[in-house]
Amino acid sequence: DIQMTQSPSSLSASVGDRVTITCRASQDISNDLAWYQQKPGKAPKLLLYATSRLDSGVPSRFSGSGSGTDYTLTISSLQPEDFATYYCQQYSSTPVYSFAQGTKLEIK
Amino acid sequence: EVQLLESGGGLVQPGGSLRLSCVASGFTFDTYAMTWVRQAPGRGLEWVSGMSVTGDRTYYADSVKGRFAISRDNSKNTLYLQLNTLTAEDTAIYYCATRLYYFDNWGQGTLVTVSS
Repeated sequence: DIQMTQSPSSLSASVGDRVTITCRASQDISNDLAWYQQKPGKAPKLLLYATSRLDSGVPSRFSGSGSGTDYTLTISSLQPEDFATYYCQQYSSTPVYSFAQGTKLEIK
Repeated sequence: EVQLLESGGGLVQPGGSLRLSCVASGFTFDTYAMTWVRQAPGRGLEWVSGMSVTGDRTYYADSVKGRFAISRDNSKNTLYLQLNTLTAEDTAIYYCATRLYYFDNWGQGTLVTVSS
């Protein structure tokens, strides 16, 4: 099974900051990576898939990059509505998928 | 607008069973593969099960294989998850979502609590 690890587990930042979250896979996942945002009491929301493709309606301040085993989610300028928990998920080992443990982004 | 509405959760004793439902609207259900993902209280997301468009292919996480069964009724725009032999570790919010691979629409979830 492919194990996914995110870092950091939590992060404090201010509105306007540039933030990067890292996701590492236990083996090459060939860019088959998605990112989700989840706010308290709500369902997750897809932000990006195929490493860097924005889902419909997702603001362009979100971007993704990476290859092989290492991937990043970047928020270029934090907005108040961006404070949430973020998860990466690999779908390389289809049909079995795995999420990382999440990164909680909090207001400093 | 895509809508997914889960139901069927509740309190069940260890060893018991439940059937979850997910009613879809706002899109052509019988052209989408579907997925179940769960989230234990205060924990992260765990992929549980997936099903192809026609229902001929089903997929399960090792943690639920042999105990859970996914199915769909395209005439009713409904996805199901039968949960059997439940344990405390199955306590979670269960979400249905569209697609396999990555999941672009999610329901609000239904809470399953396994406790005596």
